[in-house]
Formats: sequence, C-alpha cells, structure tokens
Amino acid sequence: QQQVKQSPQSLIVQKGGISIINCAYENTAFDYFPWYQQFPGKGPALLIAIRPDVSEKKEGRFTISFNKSAKQFSLHIMDSQPGDSATYFCAVGGATNKLIFGTGTLLAVQP
Amino acid sequence: NAGVTQTPKFQVLKTGQSMTLQCAQDMNHEYMSWYRQDPGMGLRLIHYSVGAGITDQGEVPNGYNVSRSTTEDFPLRLLSAAPSQTSVYFCASSYSQTGTGTEAFFGQGTRLTVV
Repeated sequence: QQQVKQSPQSLIVQKGGISIINCAYENTAFDYFPWYQQFPGKGPALLIAIRPDVSEKKEGRFTISFNKSAKQFSLHIMDSQPGDSATYFCAVGGATNKLIFGTGTLLAVQP
Repeated sequence: NAGVTQTPKFQVLKTGQSMTLQCAQDMNHEYMSWYRQDPGMGLRLIHYSVGAGITDQGEVPNGYNVSRSTTEDFPLRLLSAAPSQTSVYFCASSYSQTGTGTEAFFGQGTRLTVV
C-alpha cells in the first residue's frame, strides 16, 4: 500500500524554466508535508515544508502548493538552474510518528 | 556538531551473515529512524524510535532488528543477510517526539551489498 504517490519519476527542464513535481497522499492524519533534495552520494536534506493550515509557502525560487481537499501538494522550482539537478522526494508526516517518503523525482536541468 | 554519523560507509556481506549498521547523532534528538533506498522505490521506512527504549516498525521491517538504549545511538541489525537486502541505508534524526513534524537530518548512508 503506497501512502504517497509522486510524479513524474524523472523530469528534464531547460535552464530558466519551471520544474513542477506532484505528490498525492491517502491518510488525512498527516499534517506535515516536506520536500527533500538529494544529491548523488549524499543523504537527503530538507528543502521546504508546509503545514495544512496554509495553501502555499514560498522560499526563494521554491514554492509548495497544498490542496487539502484533494490531498495533493506540489513543488515548483522557478528559474531552474543546473545546480538544482538532483533527486527530489516529497514526504508526509506529523502526528502518526512516521515520516513516509514518495518514490522520488530525478530532475535534470539542462544549461 | 557532527550531526548524524553512519558507519560503515560501504559493506559487502555474504548471504546468511549478520551485521550491525551503526548510527549516532549528537543533536540530542528524540526521534530516530532507518530507511532503505532502492531505485524506483524511494526511501522506505524500516524501523523508528521516538525515544530511548521505544521502537516501532515501519513499512519494511522484516529481516531487521533495532534497539535504542541511549538517545544518541540507534543501531540496525541484519540477522541473516539476503540479496534482497542489498540497498543504501540511511539513518535520520529529528527534534521532537512528534518528530516527523520537524526537520529530519540524514546521515551519509551505508551502501550494503549482499552476495
């Protein structure tokens, strides 16, 4: 049973373009929705996170959009740069005491 | 602060051997967890702990044991290694007991191959 569905599996974007990655979840008990970024050979690191009391959160070029009724949230990377090339994971967590990850999206930003 | 330290970084085991992956954190975090990362599968939760003496199963616990005798350490034991356990293993820690609602810090990972 996959609790978090992430798409697309891979994404190629031109430099300066917008990267969009989507996630959907099942359990309404989740109340914490982070995105993690992972570079090759490294552990994942927190990029940005949102709570369900807001519909959008922006930090620099990175924005999370959250739709509570649809149980979906997405990551938008504006003005994508080659240095953004990495694997991105959405996750769900909070009161359940489990941080559950999606399957990941490999992003390649072409110069 | 060293953060989350995992040892070893690489390991090759023969089928049936046992071993312990070590994880230590120096941030006084209550919540610790183990994940395995496989291509196309993302990060899957193996076991987690909300404090010393308390552990629970995640999504894929079979073949693995954990214990949490101190706040700092959370070792993962493979009882009898199988080729299906070939993976990259990550340990993570975070601050509070509802720790999944705060930033999780990950180690550098242990790449395990079972032949």
